[in-house]
Amino acid sequence: SQTIHQWPATLVQPVGSPLSLECTVEGTSNPNLYWYRQAAGRGLQLLFYSVGIGQISSEVPQNLSASRPQDRQFILSSKKLLLSDSGFYLCAWSRKQGLEAFFGQGTRLTVV
Amino acid sequence: AQSVAQPEDQVKVAEGNPLTVKCTYSVSGNPYLFWYVQYPNRGLQFLLKYITGDNLVKGSYGFEAEFNKSQTSFHLKKPSALVSDSALYFCAVRDNSNYQLIWGAGTKLIIKP
Repeated sequence: SQTIHQWPATLVQPVGSPLSLECTVEGTSNPNLYWYRQAAGRGLQLLFYSVGIGQISSEVPQNLSASRPQDRQFILSSKKLLLSDSGFYLCAWSRKQGLEAFFGQGTRLTVV
Repeated sequence: AQSVAQPEDQVKVAEGNPLTVKCTYSVSGNPYLFWYVQYPNRGLQFLLKYITGDNLVKGSYGFEAEFNKSQTSFHLKKPSALVSDSALYFCAVRDNSNYQLIWGAGTKLIIKP
């Protein structure tokens, strides 16, 4: 069966510090991978998605970037965090675009 | 424009009563529809989907959803609510122009003992 791991669960970082959140998927190959941000416990905003190694599509301009160094690894990064980067970050995968996505447990990021 | 709407910000139901969480959509072409549940500080869990076939779709935890093409709706239902069903529920539809999921704003379901 497939599993998705996302860590850390919580993170408190000072303004201006770098960020690296990692997500890995097991039990499948060539998944579509996604990073979402959820603000205020409600709406989901798609940040990045990837259909293959090294292929990243950005949905919104922002202070963040994503990379996919391996087939089942997806990393969300920032060189310098802003207060507005605080939120709940969710990694997800799907077999194909447009099919159901399966989510990791999320990372609560607080920038102070 | 393709979109999905969850018209109720919050739904309150007594335990044991039937529950309905509403979702309407607007897409060009055939709709792919999904329901998810989210517990506090957790990721979303997939409940069920409609792609084609029977209009009544059964999913996890006793939930089901009814696809209604004429009303462009995909309401989530459960015959008898449990307190443990209290959570945030999201409806999503596939955007047929780019195959990304469009998410509703979420409905908070509160089941009263």
